[in-house]
Amino acid sequence: SAVISQKPSRDICQRGTSLTIQCQVDSQVTMMFWYRQQPGQSLTLIATANQGSEATYESGFVIDKFPISRPNLTFSTLTVSNMSPEDSSIYLCSVHPRGLNTEAFFGQGTRLTVV
Amino acid sequence: AQRVTQPEKLLSVFKGAPVELKCNYSYSGSPELFWYVQYSRQRLQLLLRHISRESIKGFTADLNKGETSFHLKKPFAQEEDSAMYYCALSGMGSGGYQKVTFGTGTKLQVIP
Repeated sequence: SAVISQKPSRDICQRGTSLTIQCQVDSQVTMMFWYRQQPGQSLTLIATANQGSEATYESGFVIDKFPISRPNLTFSTLTVSNMSPEDSSIYLCSVHPRGLNTEAFFGQGTRLTVV
Repeated sequence: AQRVTQPEKLLSVFKGAPVELKCNYSYSGSPELFWYVQYSRQRLQLLLRHISRESIKGFTADLNKGETSFHLKKPFAQEEDSAMYYCALSGMGSGGYQKVTFGTGTKLQVIP
């Protein structure tokens, strides 16, 4: 299993500012995943963060808007840049300690409100 | 492209009634399918996966490749089953690497 500590758990931010979300895992993992969950919608994968290389972004998400850091095998950050109200969402990090075909473990999520 | 569809946003059943949460998928290969559950104020967690063919908390799910379905079932609903349920598929994405795709989720409400 894996225990993920994600922070902050929630924040209210002014439009045009940036917020950095942190995700700490209690074991080393190759890949960490960042999702967005908009109200009433599914979890949408933003990007996959690999240690030692640039993150891989999904269609519709770009590095300038969602820069990701992965300095080691237990930690990652996602920054939501130049925020607008449309960025209001829950952001989740996730890992699959035993491979992508096995169980995913999730952080508790960051509820972001942009005003 | 891989896709997961959960047609019901909300399913309300009475305690003791059978439950079926529907999940259909679209994937060209052999998928790995999962059901995740999120109870109130808790984080998302795995309920069961098709490859293990087990029953968890009375829930079962059978993969039907012909109908491309992976419906979640329980014969008698309990109040503690009230939660948000997500169907998920792990497979090769269009970018050539493995990824997990989630359905939109179904909120199960068990009425006492």
